[in-house]
Amino acid sequence: GAVVSQHPSRVICKSGTSVKIECRSLDFQATTMFWYRQFPKQSLMLMATSNEGSKATYEQGVEKDKFLINHASLTLSTLTVTSAHPEDSSFYICSGWGASSGYTFGSGTRLTVV
Amino acid sequence: AQSVTQLGSHVSVSEGALVLLRCNYSSSVPPYLFWYVQYPNQGLQLLLKYTTGATLVKGINGFEAEFKKSETSFHLTKPSAHMSDAAEYFCAVTLPSNTGNQFYFGTGTSLTVIP
Repeated sequence: GAVVSQHPSRVICKSGTSVKIECRSLDFQATTMFWYRQFPKQSLMLMATSNEGSKATYEQGVEKDKFLINHASLTLSTLTVTSAHPEDSSFYICSGWGASSGYTFGSGTRLTVV
Repeated sequence: AQSVTQLGSHVSVSEGALVLLRCNYSSSVPPYLFWYVQYPNQGLQLLLKYTTGATLVKGINGFEAEFKKSETSFHLTKPSAHMSDAAEYFCAVTLPSNTGNQFYFGTGTSLTVIP
């Protein structure tokens, strides 16, 4: 079946630094990539939607200059958290959509900013 | 807009007992519905989904759910709980699309299985 490989699974970074999260669709082409985040004890909320080769569309309240999303190819999308702060600590998860595969979630990234 | 309501943020059942996790949705058009399970510090695992066709959907690990349009519900059941079923369960809704649509997740139900 379709697989989205998400890395890293866990990352701890210092406040003020940047962190990049990668999602790779291994056996399908992800035309659209959805990025969600989940704060402790809460549900998953959409951050942004990206289509290959286009700029991402961000949800209200999500800073596009802070959360940089790149979807340069049909098999790779990245989320970079720039100048991370402790309040950005969260669980980030991507979901790739392909016409033949439907929706496939990555395994998530636990970000801790200290 | 779409939304999902999961009644009961915490559910406890005895091992071997029936598991019933409730999910009601709101959608202006016939939606696609999903149930995911999340174990601590892990990603989402798809249990089952409804898109079209048969309204009773069978998934992995003995779970099933029935789409009831008249009740706008998609409750998840399992006849006999196992200790390994203890986890967080999310119901989600999305709209059919040729390009993909965002998921709207419920707030989750934490299932505890008592030995």
